[in-house]
Amino acid sequence: GIQVEQSPPDLILQEGANSTLRCNFSDSVNNLQWFHQNPWGQLINLFYIPSGTKQNGRLSATTVATERYSLLYISSSQTTDSGVYFCAVNPYGGATNKLIFGTGTLLAVQP
Amino acid sequence: DAGVIQSPRHEVTEMGQEVTLRCKPISGHNSLFWYRQTMMRGLELLIYFNNNVPIDDSGMPEDRFSAKMPNASFSTLKIQPSEPRDSAVYFCASSSGAGITTDTQYFGPGTRLTVL
Repeated sequence: GIQVEQSPPDLILQEGANSTLRCNFSDSVNNLQWFHQNPWGQLINLFYIPSGTKQNGRLSATTVATERYSLLYISSSQTTDSGVYFCAVNPYGGATNKLIFGTGTLLAVQP
Repeated sequence: DAGVIQSPRHEVTEMGQEVTLRCKPISGHNSLFWYRQTMMRGLELLIYFNNNVPIDDSGMPEDRFSAKMPNASFSTLKIQPSEPRDSAVYFCASSSGAGITTDTQYFGPGTRLTVL
């Protein structure tokens, strides 16, 4: 089955710093989403981005489908950005809307 | 909209007991998903419904697990009998459209299950 790898596995930042999180996937995908799981466990949908670039405030994401990777950019990080960031994909040709999650990047933003 | 609603938020039970988790999807969404999150296995899909019909239950770990969706606004995930290895956070998610592969999924707050 499709493999979803995220890097780095964990990251510590000082407030105000920028960061880039990466998601590599081993096969073509129909659907790619980025989620943020906050310290209370809530999974929050950040982007639906199977291709192209999107921006939402301090966050932006780019997916290069032909090269099978996606990047999540966090600018001017804040302590509230702390948590785990997941990339999830649905393989191209998949008959069902079945998201396969990566192992996540644990981000800690220090004041 | 209130988002996806799950209950209970926390459940502690003893091995062998029946556990029922509940989910109310976002109004108007016709696809519903049950996921489980553990440290060892991460987030994994258990079962998914489209228009109240189970479409893919290949992730259901064994016969002790069952899920139903009697109507568009309610679903249950039942574990009977429960075992300590079932301890995890169980998430429900929903999406609009026809459950096709390009729908965005929205997650509930999860139910943290502890089986002693």
